[in-house]
Amino acid sequence: AQTVTQSQPEMSVQEAETVTLSCTYDTSESDYYLFWYKQPPSRQMILVIRQEAYKQQNATENRFSVNFQKAAKSFSLKISDSQLGDAAMYFCAYRTFTLDSNYQLIWGAGTKLIIKP
Amino acid sequence: DTAVSQTPKYLVTQMGNDKSIKCEQNLGHDTMYWYKQDSKKFLKIMFSYNNKELIINETVPNRFSPKSPDKAHLNLHINSLELGDSAVYFCASRRGGLGTDTQYFGPGTRLTVL
Repeated sequence: AQTVTQSQPEMSVQEAETVTLSCTYDTSESDYYLFWYKQPPSRQMILVIRQEAYKQQNATENRFSVNFQKAAKSFSLKISDSQLGDAAMYFCAYRTFTLDSNYQLIWGAGTKLIIKP
Repeated sequence: DTAVSQTPKYLVTQMGNDKSIKCEQNLGHDTMYWYKQDSKKFLKIMFSYNNKELIINETVPNRFSPKSPDKAHLNLHINSLELGDSAVYFCASRRGGLGTDTQYFGPGTRLTVL
């Protein structure tokens, strides 16, 4: 079974600095997808970024980028120029590349990101 | 326009009561989900519906029952509420089929059972 591990329960960063959130996963599959979701105090789950395992290029979305190391099964999220609005819980998630229309997201435990003004 | 909406946002009730949480998505998605997020922030999938058919039913007590009147709605009914049911419940939806489909989440419903 696949598992997702976020080893940092909490991280803090100074505003405008860069922070990296860690995520590792375990799978025997070669094709899959990885996601980072953000959950601000409003509780809504917001997709931040996604990565297809078959793509070697790391995904980027504005100030958010990932460092995808397939061999090491690592999928870290880098937030550049941190802003107060980035303060949230960040969840790493894995899903299989299945031909079925049905699938589950496997979730990490989350990392609480604190932004210091 | 709100993509996935849930009502109510907050629900406080007594043990033993029966309550419902509504979810609607206007994205034209084929599959909808219910998640439970406990006090430790861990997300656990409860149900998913694909074309009005229950696909996943994890080890969830049968006091919880999803109801899907149409493709755009997946409501969650909870009977005989217990203290342990207190959590935040998230509805989510995604487009069906292959590809890098992502789930779009609602704002969550905080259920407090007293």
